[in-house]
Amino acid sequence: DTEVTQTPKHLVMGMTNKKSLKCEQHMGHRAMYWYKQKAKKPPELMFVYSYEKLSINESVPSRFSPECPNSSLLNLHLHALQPEDSALYLCASSLRAGGPDTQYFGPGTRLTVL
Amino acid sequence: GDSVTQMEGPVTLSEEAFLTINCTYTATGYPSLFWYVQYPGEGLQLLLKATKADDKGSNKGFEATYRKETTSFHLEKGSVQVSDSAVYFCALEGAQKLVFGQGTRLTINP
Repeated sequence: DTEVTQTPKHLVMGMTNKKSLKCEQHMGHRAMYWYKQKAKKPPELMFVYSYEKLSINESVPSRFSPECPNSSLLNLHLHALQPEDSALYLCASSLRAGGPDTQYFGPGTRLTVL
Repeated sequence: GDSVTQMEGPVTLSEEAFLTINCTYTATGYPSLFWYVQYPGEGLQLLLKATKADDKGSNKGFEATYRKETTSFHLEKGSVQVSDSAVYFCALEGAQKLVFGQGTRLTINP
């Protein structure tokens, strides 16, 4: 089983709302990732968690707050977003961070900020 | 820094045509190389990978060979189908993260 699940599939929120995206995997992977993908562009890395610790933050604004409560679960908390944050948010996981391990992606959450 | 360059799209072919999507990379060392595919409205799926020079990755009729001498990882398929219509991303494994090319949109007409 190489499945990464993400909820919700779609999310519409106002600029004053607080919402969370959820990602889950049960492959025993110890690295998890958040990416942001705008239309017709490749995914851009936001955060990397390795063994439940944040190891990379690609200078992401503080209105995005990641959390890794355990090795299977990754959350992305959203607060005071801007319309330009509208995008497809992809979660991925791999056995370890770095090296030749394949990253497996979830289907994404399509976020619209009004 | 590490980078990946893909041929620009969009690419439009007829069914059963031969496909090549070019991918070259710049990196220190010998990173693992990947091709991912993204169907409309979906996330990325791993298509194939290669972890060292001269390795050939293959899946679903697609192939790519890791060429160290030309720093390339071109994607090929001998006979494309309408269902192959998607965006294809070449990527390399950098320091704890994937470095993606810009993507190539492929459309196959019946």
